[in-house]
This record gives sequence, C-alpha cells and structure tokens, in this order.
Amino acid sequence: GAGVSQSPRYKVAKRGQDVALRCDPISGHVSLFWYQQALGQGPEFLTYFQNEAQLDKSGLPSDRFFAERPEGSVSTLKIQRTQQEDSAVYLCASSLFRLGYGYTFGSGTRLTVV
Amino acid sequence: AQSVAQPEDQVNVAEGNPLTVKCTYSVSGNPYLFWYVQYPNRGLQFLLKYITGDNLVKGSYGFEAEFNKSQTSFHLKKPSALVSDSALYFCAAMNTGFQKLVFGTGTRLLVSP
Repeated sequence: GAGVSQSPRYKVAKRGQDVALRCDPISGHVSLFWYQQALGQGPEFLTYFQNEAQLDKSGLPSDRFFAERPEGSVSTLKIQRTQQEDSAVYLCASSLFRLGYGYTFGSGTRLTVV
Repeated sequence: AQSVAQPEDQVNVAEGNPLTVKCTYSVSGNPYLFWYVQYPNRGLQFLLKYITGDNLVKGSYGFEAEFNKSQTSFHLKKPSALVSDSALYFCAAMNTGFQKLVFGTGTRLLVSP
C-alpha cells in the first residue's frame, strides 16, 4: 500500500488479556519502529527492526511486551497480561533507509485496557 | 541522554498572523531535528527536518524552522497562519548514531478565524 497500515485501529482489552497489534510497513522499507504515545504525551520509542533483526528493544517497558518481524516485512507487537497503564496509542513507522530519517508513521492503534 | 523541550502546551494565534512554536533540544554530537504534525485520530505527519547546511529549513505547507546551535533551539515558524493549521505539533531529535527519535511533549496550535 501507499502508507504504513496498522490494525486494529481501536482495541479494548480487559485487564489481564493478551493483545496483538499489527503493522504493515511500506513495501521495501528496511527499518521498522514501534512507539507508544500515552494521552497528552509525545511518542516514546519502544523497539526497532532492521529487516527481521530486532536491533534495539531498549524502550520496551517490561517483559510483557514483545515484538517480532519474522520475514522482514509485517511486524506484530504483543502485550501479555495487559494492565491499565498499557492504555495508549501504539504507533508504527517505517523507513526506506537504515538511518532513521525518512520515517513514515501509521495512524496508530489506540489500546484501552479496562 | 537526549531530550527535547516544548515549553508551551498551547499556542493561540489569529488567522493571517505569523506563528512560532518553540523547541529546544539537548543532544550529544550533531543533532538531526524534526517537526511533525498530528491531526486528531491520525498518525504523525512529517513537516521538515534539519540534518546539516542552512540554518533555515523550509518544509511542507509553508512551514519553516530555524536551527540555532548556540541556543540549542529549533523553533517552527509560519509567516501567515491558517485555521487548518490547528493541530498538535511535535519537535523531535535524533542523535546521528542512533535510529530512534526523542519527542517533545507537543504543542497544541489553535488558529482562530
């Protein structure tokens, strides 16, 4: 597609439930990033892939968060045993380049944990 | 550690007037600096970036930003604001050695008719 596609757009999860958020980057883009944007805050880095390799996962807030990109295209961010503080918009971005400039962001998935 | 500060939560300006949205940064080494705009329920849209070269950077939709190394600032400007410019604006920085962006907390721009 022409842009970065994320699904679902909205997700309501009961506390303790596992969720999976999907990101379809722009075809051919090498780099893929996940960010978390809490209400009223700027996005915060979670993790970064170059092709299928996860090169930086320093921003993942706990071991309940897990991301993968097994074939170097589609990526999934999984959150296990969701908690209320996980409520946020999760943004995916991709870039044609190894370096980070040239990001294109998706519209995000808004996760609400009740 | 890198950080970006946007000191104003909201900026109000009348349509047709010039606007400025402030940003200061703290980055080791040469900074890559960015401005993004976010409309409701939309992702971040790239406006402009500073990598190197001229301190005045021109971007999309008539926006420009001035890089000031001595003041570690990268303020966003537009000579004549439009009502449709009303949105949430984020300044971001990236160290040349890393891939990730560090964002400010955002400034809401409200342009009144």
